[in-house]
Amino acid sequence: DTEVTQTPKHLVMGMTNKKSLKCEQHMGHRAMYWYKQKAKKPPELMFVYSYEKLSINESVPSRFSPECPNSSLLNLHLHALQPEDSALYLCASSQVVAGVSYEQYFGPGTRLTVT
Amino acid sequence: TQLLEQSPQFLSIQEGENLTVYCNSSSVFSSLQWYRQEPGEGPVLLVTVVTGGEVKKLKRLTFQFGDARKDSSLHITAAQPGDTGLYLCARGTSYGKLTFGQGTILTVHP
Repeated sequence: DTEVTQTPKHLVMGMTNKKSLKCEQHMGHRAMYWYKQKAKKPPELMFVYSYEKLSINESVPSRFSPECPNSSLLNLHLHALQPEDSALYLCASSQVVAGVSYEQYFGPGTRLTVT
Repeated sequence: TQLLEQSPQFLSIQEGENLTVYCNSSSVFSSLQWYRQEPGEGPVLLVTVVTGGEVKKLKRLTFQFGDARKDSSLHITAAQPGDTGLYLCARGTSYGKLTFGQGTILTVHP
């Protein structure tokens, strides 16, 4: 099973709302990632979790708050977003070997629209 | 900064034509991945190349890794409309980060 699942597939939220994106994988991967992707551009890394601990935060605004409850789940909590945060949010996972991870498996993404 | 230069950025061709996408860097890769992303979906891993000079085939797709491991190419033979999408090369860096090329948007017209 090489599947990463994400919910919801689409989300429309106002700038004062609080919502959460969810990601799940059952491949035994110990690294999980959040990316933001604008149309026709490559994904931009936001956060990396390695062994359930946050290892990389790419200077993401605090209105995005990641959480890794266990080795299979990854959440992204959203609060007070701006219209420019509208994008496709991708989750990915990978194995970690000797502290290094390369091949990443992506979920289908959540299309977020902030109104 | 270990950039990946991917070209061309856009490619619009007719069904049945062949095409090649290139991915280059000034530094050596330990490995390189190719992904394809269809509209509204996440990137799907196509292949990983590791050894200099390596050639891998996936149906009508042929992937090459340069002898010096600084460049890679993706060749599609007899393109079909189902090949339409965003093609991304990527290399792993430390701490689990992936560096992506700028992407190639391929459109295959019936």
